[in-house]
Amino acid sequence: GQQVMQIPQYQHVQEGEDFTTYCNSSTTLSNIQWYKQRPGGHPVFLIQLVKSGEVKKQKRLTFQFGEAKKNSSLHITATQTTDVGTYFCAGRGGATNKLIFGTGTLLAVQP
Amino acid sequence: DAGITQSPRHKVTETGTPVTLRCHQTENHRYMYWYRQDPGHGLRLIHYSYGVKDTDKGEVSDGYSVSRSKTEDFLLTLESATSSQTSVYFCAISGYGGTEAFFGQGTRLTVV
Repeated sequence: GQQVMQIPQYQHVQEGEDFTTYCNSSTTLSNIQWYKQRPGGHPVFLIQLVKSGEVKKQKRLTFQFGEAKKNSSLHITATQTTDVGTYFCAGRGGATNKLIFGTGTLLAVQP
Repeated sequence: DAGITQSPRHKVTETGTPVTLRCHQTENHRYMYWYRQDPGHGLRLIHYSYGVKDTDKGEVSDGYSVSRSKTEDFLLTLESATSSQTSVYFCAISGYGGTEAFFGQGTRLTVV
């Protein structure tokens, strides 16, 4: 079945440093979504990418969807303490609407 | 936040007992999902529904069953709870066409 892996599992940065998490799917995806989960909270939608090679930006966050639609990345420029949380990618593939989540990357930001 | 409510929010149950978690939505969304979240495993799909009485298995469906008799409600049943089912359970909903998913607040289930 479809599997979605993320690396790294955990990243600790100093405030102001950049951060990147990578997402890889075992199958081609129709789209990729990114979510953020604050400690003790529930996942909250950030963005969806649909097109091969698509790049989208939200302030300090840059999202990319790979050309083969099997991988994606999230890059945060100049991290802030408010960026703390777990970032998940999630993809839909094939004919179903199953939304499969990656394993997540926990980001810790030291002031 | 989208109108999605999970109940109960916390539950402690004994091994071998059946447990039912409820997810209720007021958004009239077509798709509903049940996930479990465990450290190191992210969010794993248990079951999902693509309409009333239409459900399909996810990645970790063994030991779980679901029912959706009306659009608003998606029930997750642990037929005979085991300690390995101790977890945080999230319900999510999404609209037609594979749009963003909205999550409930989660249910923390402990099986002793």
